[in-house]
Amino acid sequence: EIVLTQSPATLSLSPGERATLSCRASQSVSRLLAWYQQKPGQAPRLLIYDASNRATGIPARFSGSGSGTDFTLTISSLEPEDFAVYYCQQRSNWPLTFGGGTKVEIK
Amino acid sequence: QITLKESGPTLVKPTQTLTLTCTFSGFSLTTSGMGVGWIRQPPGKALEWLALIYWNNDKHYSPSLKSRLTITKDTSKNQVVLTMTNMDPVDTATYYCALRQNDYYFDYWGQGTLVTVSS
Repeated sequence: EIVLTQSPATLSLSPGERATLSCRASQSVSRLLAWYQQKPGQAPRLLIYDASNRATGIPARFSGSGSGTDFTLTISSLEPEDFAVYYCQQRSNWPLTFGGGTKVEIK
Repeated sequence: QITLKESGPTLVKPTQTLTLTCTFSGFSLTTSGMGVGWIRQPPGKALEWLALIYWNNDKHYSPSLKSRLTITKDTSKNQVVLTMTNMDPVDTATYYCALRQNDYYFDYWGQGTLVTVSS
C-alpha cells in the first residue's frame, strides 16, 4: 500500500499570503496524484489531477507540481474561501490511498 | 448534470451489517470507463477509500476491510450498494459515494451520510 504523508498538518496564514502544502509518497506514483479541498460539512472537491492539471472551474491561484514521491500544492494568494482542509490522493496503485490532510487556517 | 446521493441508516448497533445505497443520475454505469466508489471519513479524521465497482463489474476493495465489504450495482436503478459486516464503533464515519471516470480521480461526490455505530 502506498502511504501518503502530508505536511504540515496545520498551516496558519493570512489572506493574501502564499500557501505551500506538501504530499510525500512512500514509493513513486509517477504523476498520478490529485489534490482535493474539503470545507466543513461538505464533500471533497477535486482541485488538481495528475499532479499539475487544474480541474474544471478551479481558479488559477491553485497550482500543483511534483512527480515520483514529492508533490506540492501551492495557493498563490489565499482568498477567504480557501481556508479549508486539503488532501492528496494517488491512483498509481491499488488500493487507492489518501493523505492525512493539511488544514489551512486563518492566522 | 451528474449527482450522487447516499442513503441508509444513521445508527447501527455493534456487530450489525450496514447497507448503504448510492443513487446517481447524469451518467450510466453501463458506460465504458465509469466507476463508483465509496470513501469514508471518521469525525475529524482523514478520508479512507473503501471500495469501487466498474461498469464491467470489476470490483476493488481496501485490503484492510476486504473481508467485511461487498459492493454491487443495479444498473436498472442507477444504484450502487455497499454492505459492511460486523460494524464496530470505530466504523462511525461519514460515508461518501463518488464517481471515478476512466481510472482518474473522484470528480463527483455525494453529500455524504453520517453513520454512527453505538449500542
